[in-house]
Amino acid sequence: DAKTTQPPSMDCAEGRAANLPCNHSTISGNEYVYWYRQIHSQGPQYIIHGLKNNETNEMASLIITEDRKSSTLILPHATLRDTAVYYCIVRVGWGSDMRFGAGTRLTVKP
Amino acid sequence: DVKVTQSSRYLVKRTGEKVFLECVQDMDHENMFWYRQDPGLGLRLIYFSYDVKMKEKGDIPEGYSVSREKKERFSLILESASTNQTSMYLCASSFSDLVTNTEAFFGQGTRLTVV
Repeated sequence: DAKTTQPPSMDCAEGRAANLPCNHSTISGNEYVYWYRQIHSQGPQYIIHGLKNNETNEMASLIITEDRKSSTLILPHATLRDTAVYYCIVRVGWGSDMRFGAGTRLTVKP
Repeated sequence: DVKVTQSSRYLVKRTGEKVFLECVQDMDHENMFWYRQDPGLGLRLIYFSYDVKMKEKGDIPEGYSVSREKKERFSLILESASTNQTSMYLCASSFSDLVTNTEAFFGQGTRLTVV
């Protein structure tokens, strides 16, 4: 079973920040938090990952709580092309599996 | 560009047939994964492999087997296809070292229909 819990769907207005939450209360010390998204009919695409510090790249920011039991993916200025299913997963290193849950369907509206 | 290539985009097979889904990656990745995706269920892990000839069961291995004879190729086998195996199948690969080489890459998927 997936080790993460996400809301099934969210809406966001175009140009506004989209904040997608993820609960991973059973995360262990050596597990990383990863975010992927899947646009219709395509394979999932990597967005960002982190261990315990907040991370930012050209696509998004990742905020991980101090106890590491939850995180938030932030898309700072959502566009219509950000409409997708977003997956939060946790992974360790060598030899690890990669389990996805059902994800959050984000709909960006004009 | 990293490429994960799945042999077929669409496939139609008959019930009871033995079906092979092939996945090839060109980045020397240690890890390879097979998922199926059904509406409302997200991606479910069938099998994964972290090295040649090594395999581990995922959440739904029943009715499937896998083969990894070479590092770049990971095959999913449906020994006797059934209609409930009609689905989108996705292959992925990644390095093992998640600190420096982070992301998993996915193929475009094979939409399998069993009739």
